[in-house]
Amino acid sequence: GAVVSQHPSRVICKSGTSVKIECRSLDFQATTMFWYRQFPKQSLMLMATSNEGSKATYEQGVEKDKFLINHASLTLSTLTVTSAHPEDSSFYICSAGRSSSTDTQYFGPGTRLTVL
Amino acid sequence: GENVEQHPSTLSVQEGDSAVIKCTYSDSASNYFPWYKQELGKRPQLIIDIRSNVGEKKDQRIAVTLNKTAKHFSLHITETQPEDSAVYFCAASTIQGAQKLVFGQGTRLTINP
Repeated sequence: GAVVSQHPSRVICKSGTSVKIECRSLDFQATTMFWYRQFPKQSLMLMATSNEGSKATYEQGVEKDKFLINHASLTLSTLTVTSAHPEDSSFYICSAGRSSSTDTQYFGPGTRLTVL
Repeated sequence: GENVEQHPSTLSVQEGDSAVIKCTYSDSASNYFPWYKQELGKRPQLIIDIRSNVGEKKDQRIAVTLNKTAKHFSLHITETQPEDSAVYFCAASTIQGAQKLVFGQGTRLTINP
């Protein structure tokens, strides 16, 4: 199978602090990982594409200085929400595709961020 | 860029009946169309996908059809069961570059016993 993990599953933080979310592919290598944001009862909105060894590609309207992405290895990408505010509260989900595959993406379990 | 429209937003069917969810896409270059099932608070799970070189794919009670000319694809669930209740998302992507997915708005499917 293809397993993607995320950590932490839930995080509550105070406004102004930074939060790091990790996304790992456990049994395959992923040159590309994706970060999504999902509001309650809404669809998944792609935030950025994380490329191993290079800069992330951000979707229009997503602040790259606010959402820092690092993809330092073929199995790990991190998303850091800097200076979090209540409006950043959301469900953040990552996905990854096998390096040898061209399309199928597998999702992590998501991280629910609550900013007080 | 790609835009995916999904209908209906909610769907309620009697157990045992069939359910159909439809999606349209705008980018003719899109060539990969997955369907995901998401239960409350859980990750999206891939249930079936189709590539543009085929028109239909079936896996037990689930089938997907694709009409490239009309740029629409549909999910068909037969003999629905209560455990089919969830939110279903369609998506489209091009197998170029990063293969990023563009999702539809989602359909909340409820199976009534």
